[in-house]
Amino acid sequence: DAKTTQPPSMDCAEGRAANLPCNHSTISGNEYVYWYRQIHSQGPQYIIHGLKNNETNEMASLIITEDRKSSTLILPHATLRDTAVYYCIVFYYGGSQGNLIFGKGTKLSVKP
Amino acid sequence: DGGITQSPKYLFRKEGQNVTLSCEQNLNHDAMYWYRQDPGQGLRLIYYSQIVNDFQKGDIAEGYSVSREKKESFPLTVTSAQKNPTAFYLCASSIEETQYFGPGTRLLVL
Repeated sequence: DAKTTQPPSMDCAEGRAANLPCNHSTISGNEYVYWYRQIHSQGPQYIIHGLKNNETNEMASLIITEDRKSSTLILPHATLRDTAVYYCIVFYYGGSQGNLIFGKGTKLSVKP
Repeated sequence: DGGITQSPKYLFRKEGQNVTLSCEQNLNHDAMYWYRQDPGQGLRLIYYSQIVNDFQKGDIAEGYSVSREKKESFPLTVTSAQKNPTAFYLCASSIEETQYFGPGTRLLVL
């Protein structure tokens, strides 16, 4: 079972910031928070990941609370092409089988 | 271009037939994975390989087989023993902890 909780759907206006929340209250100290997105009938696309500190790359920013029990993915200027299902995953690699547990995710709809 | 390729994009299987899905990567990643996705569901791990000539079963390996003879290639065979093979199959490879996915193959049963 997924160790994360996300809202099933969200809407965002084109050009505005999209803030996608994720709860992971049972996260372990060595587990990373990963975000992927999947556009219909395509493979999941890696977005960003982090352990404790906030992270930013060319696609998004990841804000992790100090207690690590929740995080927020921020798409700073959403476009129509950002419409997808966004998955928040907690994951520890460290010699394990590397099984990414994808839950139901959040369906983000970016509207003109 | 560097990346992961999967072929074919669509594959049709007749009853009792084995079919093989291709996955190739030129990212020089050691680890490769096969996942299955059913409509409206998350991904489930079928098999994974952390190094050439070695692979391990995932959560739903029954009815599937794999080989890893080359670092770049990790083909998946869906055997006739897999009674419900219709699904979207995704291959991934990883460097350290981050997995990158291919475009997927959709398998349909005739």
